[in-house]
Amino acid sequence: GAVVSQHPSWVICKSGTSVKIECRSLDFQATTMFWYRQFPKQSLMLMATSNEGSKATYEQGVEKDKFLINHASLTLSTLTVTSAHPEDSSFYICSARTPGQGYSNQPQHFGDGTRLSIL
Amino acid sequence: AQRVTQPEKLLSVFKGAPVELKCNYSYSGSPELFWYVQYSRQRLQLLLRHISRESIKGFTADLNKGETSFHLKKPFAQEEDSAMYYCALRMDSSYKLIFGSGTRLLVRP
Repeated sequence: GAVVSQHPSWVICKSGTSVKIECRSLDFQATTMFWYRQFPKQSLMLMATSNEGSKATYEQGVEKDKFLINHASLTLSTLTVTSAHPEDSSFYICSARTPGQGYSNQPQHFGDGTRLSIL
Repeated sequence: AQRVTQPEKLLSVFKGAPVELKCNYSYSGSPELFWYVQYSRQRLQLLLRHISRESIKGFTADLNKGETSFHLKKPFAQEEDSAMYYCALRMDSSYKLIFGSGTRLLVRP
């Protein structure tokens, strides 16, 4: 149980285009999903927290107009990298929190990640 | 600021040797600490959490608040333990995780 699917797994596109990445919780409803970014040989850095039915909460230094997050349903969150440039090339990972009471009882389950390469 | 530090980027041991992956954190509140593991070509998955006080795949980790550490230990490493290990901290009253930079464990035959 608690499977998170991320799509696509790899995308290459030209500079200036917009890229959408999907994150789905397959067998549970996720009221909260998280988007991370990971540069080579570096740690996962939280970009934003996606809450179903409300605006995403962005971490300091993350441009909300650049990285558009939509969490329209309890099983789907999308991250759109708008007008992507080579410096946006990275590994993007989503995670979803299983529902329940209290902060300690719902670990995060991670997707496989999306490798984005901007030419 | 909250921070998780994993000082070793790579730890190489022989099969059967003891393993200790170091993790130190900086946080003034009541943290919850986790170890996540990523095997080759697989997704990140939870290995263990300090509040569970459990042993998973022979690994244990004890939260030492005095030393602000949460080192991961295993008495006898196996080749299948080779993976990337991330220490993570959850701050109280938050769902967010702060990750360390990770340690690659390589267990040689």
